[in-house]
Formats: sequence, structure tokens, C-alpha cells
Amino acid sequence: EDQVTQSPEALRLQEGESSSLNCSYTVSGLRGLFWYRQDPGKGPEFLFTLYSAGEEKEKERLKATLTKKESFLHITAPKPEDSATYLCADSGAGSYQLTFGKGTKLSVIP
Amino acid sequence: DTGVSQDPRHKITKRGQNVTFRCDPISEHNRLYWYRQTLGQGPEFLTYFQNEAQLEKSRLLSDRFSAERPKGSFSTLEIQRTEQGDSAMYLCASSLGEGGRRYEQYFGPGTRLTVT
Repeated sequence: EDQVTQSPEALRLQEGESSSLNCSYTVSGLRGLFWYRQDPGKGPEFLFTLYSAGEEKEKERLKATLTKKESFLHITAPKPEDSATYLCADSGAGSYQLTFGKGTKLSVIP
Repeated sequence: DTGVSQDPRHKITKRGQNVTFRCDPISEHNRLYWYRQTLGQGPEFLTYFQNEAQLEKSRLLSDRFSAERPKGSFSTLEIQRTEQGDSAMYLCASSLGEGGRRYEQYFGPGTRLTVT
């Protein structure tokens, strides 16, 4: 059964303190690895799709990377507005459904 | 492009009542998905449509749940005889059917269901 595990569950950072979030997945035949941001009471907001090991994508202070069984979301010099829950999801061959992890709740303190 | 919209945003109902939610996908997207999310968890897949055809259903989707997409545009999710365990955020997402970004799913704001 496909499993997506995210760590840590929660992370508190000082403004400007860089860090990384981890996502490990077990699906065979990865079709895509997805990162979303979710603010309280709202739907997930799409950030990145990664398709193959070695791929990297960047957007402002965020960079996502992919290995064969893990993905990392690096946050450089975070600001308080980056505070949110970050969700990772995968999709395997033969299915279009996404399997999500439980998320990492990021708090950036001014 | 106005994004995925969902209606209502909030619904409070009594146990045993039926409820129906609506989702309008991004206009050029021909795939539509329903997910359910409870507090502290990631979204869980319920079902998926390509145009009007329902192609995948999760085992989470009990007989009390039914979804339709009659003309391949908007979709409805109905829950019959609601139970307290149905309380959750119901999320709709859509994606393009082809092209390099066809696997990217874009979510709506969700419908928060509370069963009392």
C-alpha cells in the first residue's frame, strides 16, 4: 500500500532561519511527487510537481528536490508569511489519485 | 480563470439528514476529484471523474456516498443518512486531461461539514 510520511510534524523557525522538510514515499512507478501549501480553513495551494530523481524546482524562498524515495522542501530565509502546513503527495502508475502525507506545520516567528 | 469553486462553504446538519455539495472545476479541466480531510490529516481520495465518467472510487466511499458529473462540467457529492463520523472538510480538485501539466491537481476552498 502506498504510504507518504512527512517529518517533522511541526517546525518552529525564527525569521531568516533556513531549514528543510522531509517527505518519504513508497509508491512504485512514481508518476509525480507534489508539494502543496495549506492555510487554516482553506484548500491546498499547488506549489511544485517533481517527476524524476535529481529534479529540482524553485519558487521564491522554496526549493523542492527529489530522490528515489524522498523529497525535500528547502525553505531559505523564511518570513512569517511562510507559516502554513506544507503537504506532500504522490501519484503512482495506473492511478490519478493523490496519496497525501499528514503535513508539516511550519511556524515562522518574527 | 477563477479557479475551482465549491458551494456551500459550510454546512451544519443533523445526524440522519442528507446533504449535497457542488463543485465547479477550472473551465478547461476535464478531470475532477473529490477528497475528504479531517483535522490533522492530509486529504484522502474519494473518487475521480474524467469528463462525465466516474473512473475510480476509494473503499472509503461507502454506499451512503454518491457523486455525479452529469455533463462533464460541475460535479455533486451527496451523503445520505449522515453520521457524526462524516464531519470533515470535503475538497474538490481538477486537472487538465492532457499535456505536460496533466497530473497537477488544483483544489477548491472546500466545504466544511459538521454533523450534530
